[in-house]
Amino acid sequence: EAQVTQNPRYLITVTGKKLTVTCSQNMNHEYMSWYRQDPGLGLRQIYYSMNVEVTDKGDVPEGYKVSRKEKRNFPLILESPSPNQTSLYFCASSLSLQGGRELFFGEGSRLTVL
Amino acid sequence: SQQGEEDPQALSIQEGENATMNCSYKTSINNLQWYRQNSGRGLVHLILIRSNEREKHSGRLRVTLDTSKKSSSLLITASRAADTASYFCAPDAYQKVTFGTGTKLQVIP
Repeated sequence: EAQVTQNPRYLITVTGKKLTVTCSQNMNHEYMSWYRQDPGLGLRQIYYSMNVEVTDKGDVPEGYKVSRKEKRNFPLILESPSPNQTSLYFCASSLSLQGGRELFFGEGSRLTVL
Repeated sequence: SQQGEEDPQALSIQEGENATMNCSYKTSINNLQWYRQNSGRGLVHLILIRSNEREKHSGRLRVTLDTSKKSSSLLITASRAADTASYFCAPDAYQKVTFGTGTKLQVIP
């Protein structure tokens, strides 16, 4: 089944404790992206990747890192999480953004930073 | 940023009625997509309209695009309780697909 898989789905952590949210897609998609969703602010793009080894900042990259060593994986790294990073995170992928290909979303990762 | 802004923020209708949601954006686009999100879950693609199209249909969905006004609308006809969700437009220029805050639709049985 074609899907985007995120882990963990739920996580409660403490300030400063490094964590990684994994994202994997099995559709051979070139494009991958991370979003965060907060009440009243909609979805905001954190980082995106057009292909392997190519990553770029979105609108709210501060406090996050990403890597794209393999086509299927696009982990989101919070080196020193803070309470303002408490949010619902979504990973998405697309075959390509050219030609208006649709985005496929994961089920989300709800992160709470105490 | 190409972020679309949806209007209204919330909409409550009776089952069987039509629901119309609007989207405005700021700069030129190649395409505009509409997505749906059930509470707290991942977004699901509904329909795409290209910049050279004015109207597109898919089942009970009808999307219009007016590039001169930089606006789009999504019409859901004969709504059902299962249509209760948030709806987002996503103007697409190049490399970045951005979303607004969405329209929260409630369909009352």
